[in-house]
Amino acid sequence: SQQGEEDPQALSIQEGENATMNCSYKTSINNLQWYRQNSGRGLVHLILIRSNEREKHSGRLRVTLDTSKKSSSLLITASRAADTASYFCATDTGAQKLVFGQGTRLTINP
Amino acid sequence: DVKVTQSSRYLVKRTGEKVFLECVQDMDHENMFWYRQDPGLGLRLIYFSYDVKMKEKGDIPEGYSVSREKKERFSLILESASTNQTSMYLCASATYSGIATQYFGPGTRLLVL
Repeated sequence: SQQGEEDPQALSIQEGENATMNCSYKTSINNLQWYRQNSGRGLVHLILIRSNEREKHSGRLRVTLDTSKKSSSLLITASRAADTASYFCATDTGAQKLVFGQGTRLTINP
Repeated sequence: DVKVTQSSRYLVKRTGEKVFLECVQDMDHENMFWYRQDPGLGLRLIYFSYDVKMKEKGDIPEGYSVSREKKERFSLILESASTNQTSMYLCASATYSGIATQYFGPGTRLLVL
């Protein structure tokens, strides 16, 4: 079952601009995680936000979580060509497994 | 660093063949997972395992089986490959804790002809 719904499905921006991706989910969560996938490769964990947190930063990444709306957003600031990838949100409901969204495909144009 | 390896990056098999996909992790993780990834469908969980010789069905187990004889190794088996099993297969591992961060292998792209 797909809990996470991501928006937009695809995003294309110019290098240096900020990129924002959104994720909505349906049930209560322990935490929400964001992963990146470069073309044809495995996923890499980027950042985790717990259900009692509202905002978290890691380098150029900023994640927000609104549990009342069951939504999260990932902001990448000052984008670079190397940020071109697909980004997935994943929800942890406490069952030792994650449920992934369908992903946002981000393209950074030089 | 956690390392998760998968036995093949690319595989081409014939319909009806028995296919083995192997996954090995080197961080003594208790949990291991197999997903398939298809365009527009995201990652779908096939099977997972919390411990040696233990397995749980995920969302799409039909046509697949798994084996976990050793803690570091989790195998996905396609008993009789079919063309609708052409996909990207991803293995992941995670420690058994309150935080279920997963570490992924590079993936195996399987083509069934």
